[in-house]
Amino acid sequence: EVQLLESGGDLVQPGGSLRLSCAASGFTFSSYAMTWVRQAPGKGLEWVSCISGSDDATYYADSVKGRFTISRDNSKNTLYLQVNSLRAEDTAVYYCAKAQGSSGYDPLHYWGQGTLVTVSS
Amino acid sequence: DIVMTQSPDSLAVSLGERATINCKSSQSVLYNSNNKNYLAWYQQKPGQPPKLLIYWASTRESGVPDRFSGSGSGTGFTLTISSLQAEDVAVYYCQQYYSIFHTFGQGTKLEIK
Repeated sequence: EVQLLESGGDLVQPGGSLRLSCAASGFTFSSYAMTWVRQAPGKGLEWVSCISGSDDATYYADSVKGRFTISRDNSKNTLYLQVNSLRAEDTAVYYCAKAQGSSGYDPLHYWGQGTLVTVSS
Repeated sequence: DIVMTQSPDSLAVSLGERATINCKSSQSVLYNSNNKNYLAWYQQKPGQPPKLLIYWASTRESGVPDRFSGSGSGTGFTLTISSLQAEDVAVYYCQQYYSIFHTFGQGTKLEIK
């Protein structure tokens, strides 16, 4: 059974940093693209970042480029999102999701329960 | 970026009736080399993460009831629930994955009339 468990969300001041983690199990983690999607309170879904399962290529939404860094540790079956220079508009539940394939040009097959990041002074 | 626009924003349908949600993309999401539409539909119930319902525009995810169906090609797509059940109350999102920079529609809230 595929399981994705996010952690690391917290209340942080503007300009602060966090590292979000997503522990994966139930599938060959290294073979699949992984994605972060966020959802601000009461709002819709926003794609944030993706890392390929074939060559570890990384991609970012313009809204987070230069501030967020996605990475993966295949030995630990864990996906990360380093979030820096946080702004109020980054407040959201952050979901990790497993793509259906390795490239990232795939639907998001499984989702974690999410971790809440709140940016406020 | 490819912009995804759903209509309507909200919808109220009687139990057992048909519900139809539309999604338009600002450019085609049909990849000519494999003739696949890079379009998915997700269902999100309150307090839960999204759940994949339909991908490649019309392929139902395993375990999804057959009252859910997807259709369309190019820039116009439809999610149809043939006979609405109480458990179908949710927000529905379309998503394109034609671009590596995936984008979602704004969501359609489906309620019981």
